[in-house]
Amino acid sequence: SQTIHQWPATLVQPVGSPLSLECTVEGTSNPNLYWYRQAAGRGLQLLFYSVGIGQISSEVPQNLSASRPQDRQFILSSKKLLLSDSGFYLCAWSVAAREQYFGPGTRLTVT
Amino acid sequence: QKEVEQNSGPLSVPEGAIASLNCTYSDRGSQSFFWYRQYSGKSPELIMSIYSNGDKEDGRFTAQLNKASQYVSLLIRDSQPSDSATYLCAAPFSGGYNKLIFGAGTRLAVHP
Repeated sequence: SQTIHQWPATLVQPVGSPLSLECTVEGTSNPNLYWYRQAAGRGLQLLFYSVGIGQISSEVPQNLSASRPQDRQFILSSKKLLLSDSGFYLCAWSVAAREQYFGPGTRLTVT
Repeated sequence: QKEVEQNSGPLSVPEGAIASLNCTYSDRGSQSFFWYRQYSGKSPELIMSIYSNGDKEDGRFTAQLNKASQYVSLLIRDSQPSDSATYLCAAPFSGGYNKLIFGAGTRLAVHP
């Protein structure tokens, strides 16, 4: 069966510090991978998605970036965090244009 | 702009009642729909997928799709306090790109 991991689970970072969040998927090959952000009490905002290694599409211009160095690994990064980057970061996977399955998420607080 | 609309709620129902959650969408090309449940502080969990007009039942959950009217609903029978959560409706973006468009979610509160 497929499993998706995200770490860390929680993170508190000062403004201006770098960020690296990692997501890995097990049990499937060549999945589509997604990064979402959910601000407190708000809906899901799609940040990036990837249909293959090295292929990244950005949905929202911002100070975040994503990379997919391996088939089942997706990384979200920032060089300098802003207060507005605080939120619940969710990684998800899917096969083709079908249902997505979410990881447990990382709660980021920028102070 | 492709959109999925949901009433934000909260929808409050007594324990044992039927909860009815609704979702409308603007993209006539959407062929499938998904319902997710999100408990406070947790990630969304897929609970139902529906691909054709009509009803699909899974335990206490029934998803209903009406493509002509462009709405999809989720019925929860015999609602339990443990069903209290935010329910998200999602549809694939028909322009491709393997994306889902999510509604903002409806908060359901089931009270004893």
